[in-house]
Amino acid sequence: SQQGEEDPQALSIQEGENATMNCSYKTSINNLQWYRQNSGRGLVHLILIRSNEREKHSGRLRVTLDTSKKSSSLLITASRAADTASYFCATDALGGATNKLIFGTGTLLAVQP
Amino acid sequence: DSGVTQTPKHLITATGQRVTLRCSPRSGDLSVYWYQQSLDQGLQFLIQYYNGEERAKGNILERFSAQQFPDLHSELNLSSLELGDSALYFCASSGGGNEQFFGPGTRLTVL
Repeated sequence: SQQGEEDPQALSIQEGENATMNCSYKTSINNLQWYRQNSGRGLVHLILIRSNEREKHSGRLRVTLDTSKKSSSLLITASRAADTASYFCATDALGGATNKLIFGTGTLLAVQP
Repeated sequence: DSGVTQTPKHLITATGQRVTLRCSPRSGDLSVYWYQQSLDQGLQFLIQYYNGEERAKGNILERFSAQQFPDLHSELNLSSLELGDSALYFCASSGGGNEQFFGPGTRLTVL
């Protein structure tokens, strides 16, 4: 399977703490994206990092990318109960005329109030 | 609200039946993607259309087919349904950038 893997599979933290999720992928990529999914709902795009970037910030989100290790991490700082959701990394493979996304297995984040 | 709509929200049917899922992309987006999300397979890319033409195929079964119409809406047809086809089916659209906008999904239950 081309699917990437994320760890941990599940993470439970207290409000105000930071949450870190990791993603590993298998192929060379154009970019890597992170999406959030609230229970059983559609995915919401959070942030995109290109293959030539190493770190990117958006609000309380910080993403890093290490293409030599084919890995990425998503840090959510000062977490809130509303951050409770599943988080997926998705890679856009290098080459080809398509932007199909290969998703990781996801991390289920629970933020306790 | 992503601007992508999917109908129906829920679909319950029996094995062996055929169903059609519908997706309307965001206004102006030419690309439509279909994904399947199940407990055992996770989120899997099925197929992409761009301006009416098939652009890429993923793990789509031969019993499944899709098309994109001139008004850019897309339909995913699932036939000879099996229990294992029960899943959430998502449509996403994009306008040329890398970000994809996902619809709310259709939950298919095959009994």
